[in-house]
Amino acid sequence: NAGVMQNPRHLVRRRGQEARLRCSPMKGHSHVYWYRQLPEEGLKFMVYLQKENIIDESGMPKERFSAEFPKEGPSILRIQQVVRGDSAAYFCASSPPAGKADEQFFGPGTRLTVL
Amino acid sequence: SQQGEEDPQALSIQEGENATMNCSYKTSINNLQWYRQNSGRGLVHLILIRSNEREKHSGRLRVTLDTSKKSSSLLITASRAADTASYFCATINDMRFGAGTRLTVKP
Repeated sequence: NAGVMQNPRHLVRRRGQEARLRCSPMKGHSHVYWYRQLPEEGLKFMVYLQKENIIDESGMPKERFSAEFPKEGPSILRIQQVVRGDSAAYFCASSPPAGKADEQFFGPGTRLTVL
Repeated sequence: SQQGEEDPQALSIQEGENATMNCSYKTSINNLQWYRQNSGRGLVHLILIRSNEREKHSGRLRVTLDTSKKSSSLLITASRAADTASYFCATINDMRFGAGTRLTVKP
């Protein structure tokens, strides 16, 4: 049973480009969470999704950031018109259908560098 | 200040010593979880303690929870160099992580 998978592991973008980060949850998991970790800081919650629904996006910046978790395929975190301040590690986690109070399993992260 | 704040921010000990990290939180919780993050890597779940539990053990790990003080502690006994990592507490029901404690265990 593969764990949470994220790709790419490293992503380099120039200012103004778009970044797409993918997350495939563990088999049987229907809840996905995205976190951002700035250098030397802890994780900051961004968004919590279930299949085809955004449950909580209170941590998402109001502009340029969006997330989806379609019926088929991975969850996507999309950052439009990236800026240098978007450089960070983005972690995805998933949990089983019992709900967000359960343990979350983390992926290895995508390290985004904006030049 | 944010939910799930760890204390101290950094801790350096010798191999074989015990390491204690503390975490405070603000709102009521269903459970509290501790995670470890090795440098540049993802997070690994260590232990979950529910709000009706006071103490929990897992190998060399011991976690306590004091809901009256809204605090938790993680004790690593007989530390090893491989324990060097950042340790985070998280209140998952509102998805808040602290900034972590960076533990360095010197051989």
